Amino acid sequence: EADIYQTPRYLVIGTGKKITLECSQTMGHDKMYWYQQDPGMELHLIHYSYGVNSTEKGDLSSESTVSRIRTEHFPLTLESARPSHTSQYLCATSGGDSYEQYFGPGTRLTVT
Amino acid sequence: KNQVEQSPQSLIILEGKNCTLQCNYTVSPFSNLRWYKQDTGRGPVSLTIMTFSENTKSNGRYTATLDADTKQSSLHITASQLSDSASYICVVSDRGSTLGRLYFGRGTQLTVWP
Repeated sequence: EADIYQTPRYLVIGTGKKITLECSQTMGHDKMYWYQQDPGMELHLIHYSYGVNSTEKGDLSSESTVSRIRTEHFPLTLESARPSHTSQYLCATSGGDSYEQYFGPGTRLTVT
Repeated sequence: KNQVEQSPQSLIILEGKNCTLQCNYTVSPFSNLRWYKQDTGRGPVSLTIMTFSENTKSNGRYTATLDADTKQSSLHITASQLSDSASYICVVSDRGSTLGRLYFGRGTQLTVWP
């Protein structure tokens, strides 16, 4: 079973609130990713990291920010949530030269 | 423009029946093609990964094929079970960057009825 953990699994918050979505992994993978997925739509890469202190923006512009201070953790932060941020956020990892990406269970965010 | 198109968008079959899902892509250059299964409210789980030189790969009741010349792939599910109800996502990776960028299809939503 996956060794990628995302918390919270579900979050409903009001507009303007600051939130942090947590992603942690126990596989020691160097690469980590954040994807955004709306219902019935494809996944879009919003952030990725090759290792500690390395973060890059993905293909889809996002107002969120990420940090990678430790290999195991890759949190995503929204300073001021808006209804347009309502979506599912998926964290993934990959290691070495492997093509494989392993996904966490996701966080379903609803901003009211 | 690099794209991944999947068909059908949704499919309903009876338990025990077989089905085939299609994926057409225009991604170039090409590195590998993956099929993922995503249960509702969960993250995708990898079923198969095929590189340019592979034209078929099986994982239990799931068999994926790849025709790199026509840029088409299919996922065949044999003797479907209720637990096969999920979204099946085709993902293509290019080799044009160190990241190995992934291009995702929108998925085929499969429902298996008893």
